[in-house]
Amino acid sequence: EADIYQTPRYLVIGTGKKITLECSQTMGHDKMYWYQQDPGMELHLIHYSYGVNSTEKGDLSSESTVSRIRTEHFPLTLESARPSHTSQYLCASSGHFDRVLNSPLHFGNGTRLTVT
Amino acid sequence: DAKTTQPPSMDCAEGRAANLPCNHSTISGNEYVYWYRQIHSQGPQYIIHGLKNNETNEMASLIITEDRKSSTLILPHATLRDTAVYYCIVRNSGGYQKVTFGTGTKLQVIP
Repeated sequence: EADIYQTPRYLVIGTGKKITLECSQTMGHDKMYWYQQDPGMELHLIHYSYGVNSTEKGDLSSESTVSRIRTEHFPLTLESARPSHTSQYLCASSGHFDRVLNSPLHFGNGTRLTVT
Repeated sequence: DAKTTQPPSMDCAEGRAANLPCNHSTISGNEYVYWYRQIHSQGPQYIIHGLKNNETNEMASLIITEDRKSSTLILPHATLRDTAVYYCIVRNSGGYQKVTFGTGTKLQVIP
């Protein structure tokens, strides 16, 4: 059973605030991903990580930043939230190919962010 | 990354088989085909994957053409709970690549 957790589930915050979206997985997966998705639209990859101290930008440019200090934790931070950041943010992880060949992505339930 | 093409939407009668096609004509030899689905705005759920042989699990069957340029996801007896957006993606065997999703197919199961 996949265990990947995102908090908070919903967040309403004012413009200019700093926010951190949390994502944690208990499966020991080395690869983790952040996607952004507007209602009814496709998922856009904004960040990914191959392991500790590894972070890469995705296909969609984002003002957010990420860190990967621990294997299980991949938080996403917005230094100054704006209404244009209003969206759903989905975190995912997948296993090491040596241990779980072609491990599929496991997704959290997402964080719905509204910036007023 | 190999790209995939899917029809934007499909309807299927409840109880009938739903056949969802996907084209991946630029797929390379070490790339697998994966299928996910997303119900409402929940996180996508893994369904099945395969390389070149047909695959079946408790959720669905995956048929991959011999030239591997296309595949079909089959839900044998669609239920209303199968209404979702279905995504077909390709990933290489190393797994060290960004994983991108297209627009998927919106499957509507009709009572």
